[in-house]
Amino acid sequence: KQEVTQIPAALSVPEGENLVLNCSFTDSAIYNLQWFRQDPGKGLTSLLLIQSSQREQTSGRLNASLDKSSGRSTLYIAASQPGDSATYLCAVGQSTGFQKLVFGTGTRLLVSP
Amino acid sequence: EAQVTQNPRYLITVTGKKLTVTCSQNMNHEYMSWYRQDPGLGLRQIYYSMNVEVTDKGDVPEGYKVSRKEKRNFPLILESPSPNQTSLYFCASSLQAPPNTGELFFGEGSRLTVL
Repeated sequence: KQEVTQIPAALSVPEGENLVLNCSFTDSAIYNLQWFRQDPGKGLTSLLLIQSSQREQTSGRLNASLDKSSGRSTLYIAASQPGDSATYLCAVGQSTGFQKLVFGTGTRLLVSP
Repeated sequence: EAQVTQNPRYLITVTGKKLTVTCSQNMNHEYMSWYRQDPGLGLRQIYYSMNVEVTDKGDVPEGYKVSRKEKRNFPLILESPSPNQTSLYFCASSLQAPPNTGELFFGEGSRLTVL
């Protein structure tokens, strides 16, 4: 059974810092991996989608990498801003079995001015 | 505007009183899904639907029902709610079923409290 873990559960940084959020998964037979952002009281917004054949995806100040063999993905945020404060979740798309995504529990990020 | 709309956003009810949480999407998506989000447990899938009249159980289907009579709507039904169903519920949709999909669109969530 696929398990997705995100460490740390919470992170607090000053504005302007570059930071890395981690996501690990136990079964490397994945189809893709997505990173989402969740603001308080809101739904999830998709940030980046990496296919299993890709190593990384970039969108603006965000860069997500994928290492299937080691079961890890990282989300790199450059020059963090207070508006980046949110919970970030990763989700793994399985290549076999259930038609679903398996979500991590998220990392709550606070960027202080 | 492309969106997934859930109603109600907030609801307090009592044990045993049937309720329905509606979900509607305006993107002509085939795939729709319901999740619940609980502290420390992340998002867990309740039910999903690959298309009209095609639904299936997710990880935590007990105590819930769904229907997909029209492509745009996917209501979540709690026939006899219990306190352990107190949670934050999300509806989501995508053009195709995971993992062969692009972006998964989420509604803004429905916070349900069962007393």
